Amino acid sequence: ETGVTQSPTHLIKTRGQQVTLRCSSQSGHNTVSWYQQALGQGPQFIFQYYREEENGRGNFPPRFSGLQFPNYSSELNVNALELDDSALYLCASSFFGPDNEQFFGPGTRLTVL
Amino acid sequence: RKEVEQDPGPFNVPEGATVAFNCTYSNSASQSFFWYRQDCRKEPKLLMSVYSSGNEDGRFTAQLNRASQYISLLIRDSKLSDSATYLCAVNKFTSGTYKYIFGTGTRLKVLA
Repeated sequence: ETGVTQSPTHLIKTRGQQVTLRCSSQSGHNTVSWYQQALGQGPQFIFQYYREEENGRGNFPPRFSGLQFPNYSSELNVNALELDDSALYLCASSFFGPDNEQFFGPGTRLTVL
Repeated sequence: RKEVEQDPGPFNVPEGATVAFNCTYSNSASQSFFWYRQDCRKEPKLLMSVYSSGNEDGRFTAQLNRASQYISLLIRDSKLSDSATYLCAVNKFTSGTYKYIFGTGTRLKVLA
């Protein structure tokens, strides 16, 4: 096991609602990256948090936002949910650096109705 | 063109066979490379990092070809338990951060 945990495991929301997903990083890791994985696709990079700041962002709109806390855990918030937001949301824990190996949590499966 | 491309498969192979996957990347600034394994409806699990000199872990061998911009994964003596989707990931430094780009994955089915 990677030691990366995520909650909740499953979530069902309706369009327009807001959701918060949580991730606890592996002990000692200082960086958390969030990904969205649609069925049949590879994980898509949403953003990364390092030193409690957003440190890089993929092609996702501002309604996707996040936080990192002093203990390196992190939250992903999505506002004004759309049907296309239905996906597996993965967080990955790592050290910051060029050869960093990322270790994934079990994911949160979000369904938007 | 996608930054990281993989043949989606599926690759159907008999037990004991040797199978190889390639993954091409388009950004020459890519710095590090990885193979992940993902079982159905589970999270990706790191299989191995890919080093310039190539590396081997048991039945698995990974190679990097920077000149042609691809990485490969070779699985020898395939087991039923190797059935999964294999994702390649490329780590590049852009806009002040190290960003992983994943391929869509290659599905492998090992048949009895």
